[in-house]
Amino acid sequence: KNQVEQSPQSLIILEGKNCTLQCNYTVSPFSNLRWYKQDTGRGPVSLTIMTFSENTKSNGRYTATLDADTKQSSLHITASQLSDSASYICVVSGDNYGQNFVFGPGTRLSVLP
Amino acid sequence: NAGVTQTPKFRVLKTGQSMTLLCAQDMNHEYMYWYRQDPGMGLRLIHYSVGEGTTAKGEVPDGYNVSRLKKQNFLLGLESAAPSQTSVYFCASSTRDRVFDEQYFGPGTRLTVT
Repeated sequence: KNQVEQSPQSLIILEGKNCTLQCNYTVSPFSNLRWYKQDTGRGPVSLTIMTFSENTKSNGRYTATLDADTKQSSLHITASQLSDSASYICVVSGDNYGQNFVFGPGTRLSVLP
Repeated sequence: NAGVTQTPKFRVLKTGQSMTLLCAQDMNHEYMYWYRQDPGMGLRLIHYSVGEGTTAKGEVPDGYNVSRLKKQNFLLGLESAAPSQTSVYFCASSTRDRVFDEQYFGPGTRLTVT
């Protein structure tokens, strides 16, 4: 069964600290992996999209890595800010069409001052 | 450019009542989707549409119907609401780009069925 697991379920860090969120998947075939940020009460917003040939991709203070062999991805947040408090969702697709996306449950990040 | 909008934002229904959720996008996207998001679970696809006049079932379609009469609008209907349909509903749209179909999500509709 195609599944996406994320860890930790929730995380609390102090402003200015770095953190890394994990994503493991069993989706096959694999086409791309996406990370979304979802603020409370809002819809998800795309942070990065990576294909199987990409190992890393950055978007400002967000850096995603992908190991297609071990089927693992991570999202590293550098110098966290209060505005980073959100849920971060890992999404894996076997093709490029939204009807085949598999969403992870998300990691809830809280950044405290 | 409003992006993807959803109405209403909140709704409380009694078991057996019906309602329609409206999604509108102004980006001329071909594809539109309806998801539900429940605590501790990933978003699950209810129905989707690859173009005006077309609809298809997603992962959890039972109890829902959809229509796409106009390209910019995608309606989600609940004919006889049940407590199990208490959830947050998100609409999304995307292009038909074969490489990366970036999805744009609406703000969500929080539905409670009592």
